[in-house]
Amino acid sequence: DTAVSQTPKYLVTQMGNDKSIKCEQNLGHDTMYWYKQDSKKFLKIMFSYNNKELIINETVPNRFSPKSPDKAHLNLHINSLELGDSAVYFCASSLSLPDGRETQYFGPGTRLLVL
Amino acid sequence: AQSVTQLDSHVSVSEGTPVLLRCNYSSSYSPSLFWYVQHPNKGLQLLLKYTSAATLVKGINGFEAEFKKSETSFHLTKPSAHMSDAAEYFCVVSEGGNTGGFKTIFGAGTRLFVKA
Repeated sequence: DTAVSQTPKYLVTQMGNDKSIKCEQNLGHDTMYWYKQDSKKFLKIMFSYNNKELIINETVPNRFSPKSPDKAHLNLHINSLELGDSAVYFCASSLSLPDGRETQYFGPGTRLLVL
Repeated sequence: AQSVTQLDSHVSVSEGTPVLLRCNYSSSYSPSLFWYVQHPNKGLQLLLKYTSAATLVKGINGFEAEFKKSETSFHLTKPSAHMSDAAEYFCVVSEGGNTGGFKTIFGAGTRLFVKA
């Protein structure tokens, strides 16, 4: 009964490959996010989706593309992987409240290593 | 514009002594404030959150934080540190909108070391 799940947990791949990370939430939330955590532990928001609409799109390379088949899923596709893409990627979800407040619930993270 | 500053990159305490992790924020509106913990090679875990209710917020594992609007602070405390508290702690500020989707800013993190 995990609230936010990600697969895979670990991903090791070669430069130039294309890979995807999947995220699913069973909380009934209406917004999902992808974060990147670099080696210095800084968390940077990459994308968020609300009701299948991209509403925040930070300045990330267009090699990264979020895909949301439905409200419960937000997958992250990465094309032509580069060494600098090595990081931990966190998925999160939240529920919009009338007063605008929210809590984001995070998945366990996917550790990506590009060789 | 919103921002969050964690005043200490590292904090070291002895087991059984109090913990204080400092966080200051700035926000254009009334924000939501959170503390998350990340243990080595683990995901983020929500410790506690402030959402305009009581200013003293109690969280899991004996942690609590006090929202002080006049000081724009949201410091995290625990009366007595345990070895298992050694981890990275993130202070987070979030602002929302009526259309959904929220801008959430994470602090740089504070690494807590607990000595035996």
